[in-house]
Amino acid sequence: DAMVIQNPRYQVTQFGKPVTLSCSQTLNHNVMYWYQQKSSQAPKLLFHYYDKDFNNEADTPDNFQSRRPNTSFCFLDIRSPGLGDAAMYLCATRSQGANSGEPQHFGDGTRLSIL
Amino acid sequence: AQTVTQSQPEMSVQEAETVTLSCTYDTSESDYYLFWYKQPPSRQMILVIRQEAYKQQNATENRFSVNFQKAAKSFSLKISDSQLGDAAMYFCAYNGGSNYKLTFGKGTLLTVNP
Repeated sequence: DAMVIQNPRYQVTQFGKPVTLSCSQTLNHNVMYWYQQKSSQAPKLLFHYYDKDFNNEADTPDNFQSRRPNTSFCFLDIRSPGLGDAAMYLCATRSQGANSGEPQHFGDGTRLSIL
Repeated sequence: AQTVTQSQPEMSVQEAETVTLSCTYDTSESDYYLFWYKQPPSRQMILVIRQEAYKQQNATENRFSVNFQKAAKSFSLKISDSQLGDAAMYFCAYNGGSNYKLTFGKGTLLTVNP
């Protein structure tokens, strides 16, 4: 089945140690998103790609970076994780143009813990 | 800027009963889409139902239906014949026709009691 796959499901890292989360999709969608979700809160958009065009949210810390080497893969890099970065990180994809009203498709998420 | 408000942080319903989750939104756009997403504990967020603003007819998907009141900017979700598997966090979300982003409400945690 076509889907959005996030690896790993759980990630533990040390305070200040860089970490990379990955997302792949078999939907061939041109838009990919990264969200941060803390407990019992709505997802917070960090950035998104439209094809290779990167769009950063104004309040996304510089500590968060992203790469999209091709249509299928997208990575979230956290350069120096702090305790406040412990959260669920969600990847999502969407097809077609801005006016299509197409829904976003979410992966299972990666739960990041900081020691 | 668009905003989405879910005024019920938590709701509960008895199995087989009907429950309605509320959502209001604010926008100056005329072309937009509204969504309800379901997120079970530690599981994937999935789409429940979608409504196009230009359609007057309320969307339905099996036991799930919406009451879309465009003038009042209201978009409530009705779940009929509630099942234990309906227990989840439900997010109302808005997508303006001119961008790729979703604006989420804060969510409503639904508990289904056996």
